Amino acid sequence: AQKITQTQPGMFVQEKEAVTLDCTYDTSDQSYGLFWYKQPSSGEMIFLIYQGSYDEQNATEGRYSLNFQKARKSANLVISASQLGDSAMYFCAMRDQGTGGFKTIFGAGTRLFVKA
Amino acid sequence: AAGVIQSPRHLIKEKRETATLKCYPIPRHDTVYWYQQGPGQDPQFLISFYEKMQSDKGSIPDRFSAQQFSDYHSELNMSSLELGDSALYFCASSTGTGIHEQYFGPGTRLTVT
Repeated sequence: AQKITQTQPGMFVQEKEAVTLDCTYDTSDQSYGLFWYKQPSSGEMIFLIYQGSYDEQNATEGRYSLNFQKARKSANLVISASQLGDSAMYFCAMRDQGTGGFKTIFGAGTRLFVKA
Repeated sequence: AAGVIQSPRHLIKEKRETATLKCYPIPRHDTVYWYQQGPGQDPQFLISFYEKMQSDKGSIPDRFSAQQFSDYHSELNMSSLELGDSALYFCASSTGTGIHEQYFGPGTRLTVT
């Protein structure tokens, strides 16, 4: 069964430092996508970064990079040079065809607190 | 660029009332997904439509129904509302065959009192 596991309910990081948010996944599909979303207190779901299962290089988007280790089924998000505005809930998510259609499965989320 | 539009953004209803949430996908997107996010929880998939036909179904209560119309907009109808239906409801849209191209709307926050 498809599953996303985020084991860190909350994380603290000092402003300007890097932080890693953990994510492991489980799927029997060979073709899938892994995503990270940021959800600030306002509620919208902001797409951050995507990694395809066949991509050989780790995805990067500005200060965000995804540490993809396929054999270990992990897709950790690394945020470099943290900013106060990075304080939010972060969801790791996966999309595969599953039972039909490309629905998104989310992890439980990690709440990140950036300290000044 | 045009994004997914959801209306209303906020809705307050009383128990046992009905509610209708609307979703307007990005132009030329033919697939719509609905998700429910309860307080402090991760979003849960409810139902999806592709080319106006239901394509997948998740944990959607029998009190809820949804459809996709000829212009590809979708409506989620919720009847006999319960306090536990209070949540943020997201709609997402994509083209039919996109693992990565799924865009979320801003959400509708439903409060049942």
